Amino acid sequence: SYELTQPPSVSVSPGQTARITCSGDALPKKYVHWYHQKSGQAPALVIYEDNKRPSGIPQRFSGSNSGTTATLTISGAQVEDEGDYYCYSTDTTGNYRVFGGGTTVTVL
Amino acid sequence: QVQLRESGPGLVEPSETLSLTCSVSYAAITSYYWGWIRQAPGKGLEWIGNLYYAGSTSYNPSLRSRVTISVDPSHLAFSLRLKSVTAADTGTYYCARLGGSTPFNFYMDVWGIGTTVNVFS
Repeated sequence: SYELTQPPSVSVSPGQTARITCSGDALPKKYVHWYHQKSGQAPALVIYEDNKRPSGIPQRFSGSNSGTTATLTISGAQVEDEGDYYCYSTDTTGNYRVFGGGTTVTVL
Repeated sequence: QVQLRESGPGLVEPSETLSLTCSVSYAAITSYYWGWIRQAPGKGLEWIGNLYYAGSTSYNPSLRSRVTISVDPSHLAFSLRLKSVTAADTGTYYCARLGGSTPFNFYMDVWGIGTTVNVFS
């Protein structure tokens, strides 16, 4: 099996920077993608292929992937950025496509 | 913009087969790849499987023996079948369109709103 590890929670004040990490042994060779899930809603893609933003995603969202750790950064977090964030990637064989356990972001 | 909508029975009895359909609007189903994801109550996301061109598939190894994903003959929808369900299969099931350039790099770029399934007798 394969696992991606995220911190359970991150808290940040409005306007400050939030960083969410995702660790996995295959990350040096595989892209990571990030999803934001607000309470009661379906997940939404916020970063794909390590650092690309889909159309409509604010510039305050950015991503990086170095070594075995990927990072989602929210620069100038807003109240509407609260929710759960999940990283997603695969192992080196492609057999295991997994989500990280999720990180709850609180902006207050 | 492509729209996805899951449908199926909200209640399934243990040991029976769960069948869900994802209806696709504003996109040709043969022009993209598709996937299913689920989320147990209060838990994280779990990848179920992907559907590729010509009907080829890949499944979560932990579910492979029980799951089938296929294109509906109408080519307007694709389906998920999960047999021998237990209470552990209770949750919200999402269908999604896949983006990306290679099979190892596919990600979900458009999601349905999800449908809730409860397994109990």
